Amino acid sequence: DAKTTQPNSMESNEEEPVHLPCNHSTISGTDYIHWYRQLPSQGPEYVIHGLTSNVNNRMASLAIAEDRKSSTLILHRATLRDAAVYYCILREFGGATNKLIFGTGTLLAVQP
Amino acid sequence: DAGVIQSPRHEVTEMGQEVTLRCKPISGHDYLFWYRQTMMRGLELLIYFNNNVPIDDSGMPEDRFSAKMPNASFSTLKIQPSEPRDSAVYFCASSFAGPQRQHFGDGTRLSIL
Repeated sequence: DAKTTQPNSMESNEEEPVHLPCNHSTISGTDYIHWYRQLPSQGPEYVIHGLTSNVNNRMASLAIAEDRKSSTLILHRATLRDAAVYYCILREFGGATNKLIFGTGTLLAVQP
Repeated sequence: DAGVIQSPRHEVTEMGQEVTLRCKPISGHDYLFWYRQTMMRGLELLIYFNNNVPIDDSGMPEDRFSAKMPNASFSTLKIQPSEPRDSAVYFCASSFAGPQRQHFGDGTRLSIL
């Protein structure tokens, strides 16, 4: 699997936007970009995924660079409940490997 | 809408004992994944099934670990004999038509003394 690089930790203030970066310079044309998050003492939770175009859902937005070598998960208004570890993961679509490999992620702290 | 159900939530047992973890995936999902999470190694994929068939078990640590999925609504992960280094949180996840939107259970916190 192609690798991703994320900052170990970030801080945000409540009700402000948060931009979580992810670098994936070795991404291939068929790799999808996935984001999951893990709240304290819970299992990971799906956030969003995309291939080339920016994606929006009720939880977040995913902005993908034109060359696809990086992406940004955007939380539009952080709440205390958004404090979690955020994982950026690549998956090859249609390949023999049909799984997600979680890295170490970014620990997001949200200050009131 | 019931999510992925894992049991037990906590297990404490002595070294050398057999441990069986259980998972009930979401109805209709055709993929099932077993993960292990520790502070040292993070979240590791152990094995996954598609339509009850094991597809990739390359993450299973050694022969002491085994997993089965006898039907679409039940899977087990067994450790025999257990060792202290097996202490971790074990997660089961399920998804439909691929691994992209996995739903995780609450995990089983396993402590081997």
